[in-house]
Amino acid sequence: DTEVTQTPKHLVMGMTNKKSLKCEQHMGHRAMYWYKQKAKKPPELMFVYSYEKLSINESVPSRFSPECPNSSLLNLHLHALQPEDSALYLCASSQGRAGGVETQYFGPGTRLLVL
Amino acid sequence: AQSVTQPDIHITVSEGASLELRCNYSYGATPYLFWYVQSPGQGLQLLLKYFSGDTLVQGIKGFEAEFKRSQSSFNLRKPSVHWSDAAEYFCAVAMNTGGFKTIFGAGTRLFVKA
Repeated sequence: DTEVTQTPKHLVMGMTNKKSLKCEQHMGHRAMYWYKQKAKKPPELMFVYSYEKLSINESVPSRFSPECPNSSLLNLHLHALQPEDSALYLCASSQGRAGGVETQYFGPGTRLLVL
Repeated sequence: AQSVTQPDIHITVSEGASLELRCNYSYGATPYLFWYVQSPGQGLQLLLKYFSGDTLVQGIKGFEAEFKRSQSSFNLRKPSVHWSDAAEYFCAVAMNTGGFKTIFGAGTRLFVKA
């Protein structure tokens, strides 16, 4: 199983809503990532978790709150978002070997629209 | 600072013609390089990667790329393009800085004409 799954596929939310994005992998990977991709732009790294610990936060606003409850699951909690946060949110995973450079496997993404 | 440049925003080729997508990187240490493809509204699929060894790497779907250290380049090639190759292509460089970090180029949109 080399699949990363993300739910939901699409999400529409108001600026006062609280919602969560979910990402799951069953490849035994110990590193997981959140990326944000605006239309016609490359993905931009938001967060990296390594062995369930947050290792990189790319100065992301606090209205985005990541959570890694176990090695297979990664959540992104959303609260008080702005319309400019509308984007495709991609999750990825990799083996997580310390000091190594690895192949990342990407999920299909969640298309988020903030009204 | 690390960066990846894809000089072509979009490229149009005829079906059956050859393809070369350009990628230049800036990175002080040994680069770890990737090419990904993304169809509209979809996630990224890895085409190929270069970590070390043979500088000509083969990937999926008939793609190959050549690492040229002297030119800081990692260009993607395909000898004969199919209509299904129309997509966005991203070159990326990766580094391990206490967590694995990937920087993507701006992307090149490939159009294929019949």
